Amino acid sequence: SQQGEEDPQALSIQEGENATMNCSYKTSINNLQWYRQNSGRGLVHLILIRSNEREKHSGRLRVTLDTSKKSSSLLITASRAADTASYFCATESGNTPLVFGKGTRLSVIA
Amino acid sequence: GAVVSQHPSRVICKSGTSVKIECRSLDFQATTMFWYRQFPKKSLMLMATSNEGSKATYEQGVEKDKFLINHASLTLSTLTVTSAHPEDSSFYICSATGTIGQFFGPGTRLTVL
Repeated sequence: SQQGEEDPQALSIQEGENATMNCSYKTSINNLQWYRQNSGRGLVHLILIRSNEREKHSGRLRVTLDTSKKSSSLLITASRAADTASYFCATESGNTPLVFGKGTRLSVIA
Repeated sequence: GAVVSQHPSRVICKSGTSVKIECRSLDFQATTMFWYRQFPKKSLMLMATSNEGSKATYEQGVEKDKFLINHASLTLSTLTVTSAHPEDSSFYICSATGTIGQFFGPGTRLTVL
C-alpha cells in the first residue's frame, strides 16, 4: 500500500528558482529515499537519508527528515530546465520493499 | 554502482498473448527481486516480491495466475503477463536487492493492442 504522500502533486517554476517538494509517511522507517523519473524512463536514485539523520546535501539537492512529524522535504536549488521530471519519495522499513509516494511532477520553465 | 537490466525495454503485443519480461542483476547477487507496475502519471505500485528458489508473494489485488513470476537464480527473475489485455498496458519496473542495497531496472513499457 502507498505510504508516502508527496505534495504538491505538480509544481511549475521558472528556471533559477528553488523547488521544494514534501513527503509524509505513516510508519517508522529505516530510511527515506528520493528518486527522480523522467517521463517514460526508469528511476534514478537521488539521495538516501537515514532515520537518525536530519539533513543531507548532494550538489543542488538538500533533503531534510523530521521523524517526529514523519515528513521529509527535497529542495532543488537554482533549478534548471533539465530538472523537469517526476520526483518520488520512498520509505524503507525493516526488510520490506520500498514503498513509493505518489510523486510530484516538476516543470522548470526556461 | 550496481546495475539491474530489464529486457525487453519496450514490447507491443496483441490481446490474448503472453509476454515475458526479464530482470537481471548484472554485478551482484539478488536474494530478493521486486516487481512494480506504474500507470501513466502515477506512482510505482508493488506487485510482488520474489525470493530466489521460492514462490513469489503477491500484493493484494494482483492475480498470481496472470502475473507469473519465476526467480530461478540469484541474478534472474522473470515476469510473464499471461493472456494480456489492454488494461495490462503499463510500465513494469523490477528491483533487485542484495547485501549492497536495492537497485532498480530501467523498466519495460508494455502496450497491449
